[in-house]
Amino acid sequence: SAVISQKPSRDICQRGTSLTIQCQVDSQVTMMFWYRQQPGQSLTLIATANQGSEATYESGFVIDKFPISRPNLTFSTLTVSNMSPEDSSIYLCSVAHPLLARETQYFGPGTRLLVL
Amino acid sequence: KQEVTQIPAALSVPEGENLVLNCSFTDSAIYNLQWFRQDPGKGLTSLLLIQSSQREQTSGRLNASLDKSSGRSTLYIAASQPGDSATYLCAVAGNNRKLIWGLGTSLAVNP
Repeated sequence: SAVISQKPSRDICQRGTSLTIQCQVDSQVTMMFWYRQQPGQSLTLIATANQGSEATYESGFVIDKFPISRPNLTFSTLTVSNMSPEDSSIYLCSVAHPLLARETQYFGPGTRLLVL
Repeated sequence: KQEVTQIPAALSVPEGENLVLNCSFTDSAIYNLQWFRQDPGKGLTSLLLIQSSQREQTSGRLNASLDKSSGRSTLYIAASQPGDSATYLCAVAGNNRKLIWGLGTSLAVNP
């Protein structure tokens, strides 16, 4: 399995500011994903972080709001830009790699964000 | 558009009971179905993955079944323990491998 860490684990931010969330994996993985879990909602995929190229965003999510970097196969960042209270959510990083068995995804502990 | 529903939303049982969590999905053209456990502050843990060609998977006290034609999966937990208390999430992957998630079942196992 893969061990994934996220920083920060939680934060309280003012509206209009930006927060960058880091995701670090203990092994090289082919696929990294960013999810959002809003209160009372199911997990929603924001984007797939591609190493060395622009992330692939899902419908309803745009690069200007959620810029993503992936400089190598073990690290990615998600920035939540110009935050509003509606961005209050848990943000989760996950990874998948064929060699990690059965195409399952492994998740980080999440970043709990509250925007005031 | 795939939709995933989990019933019940919450469940509270005494320790030792066997229990069943339900997951239904609207589009039977799935690649696989996965059950996850979510603990506060610890992220999600994969429990069982059932490929579309399979009918069930077992891991310890957990058994997950899949009936693709009826769009249903069940997670059976035998001899429940307080440590099983968590939120259980069902996720369905289509042929594009992207996961569509249910809202989860919040389980409390009381000593």
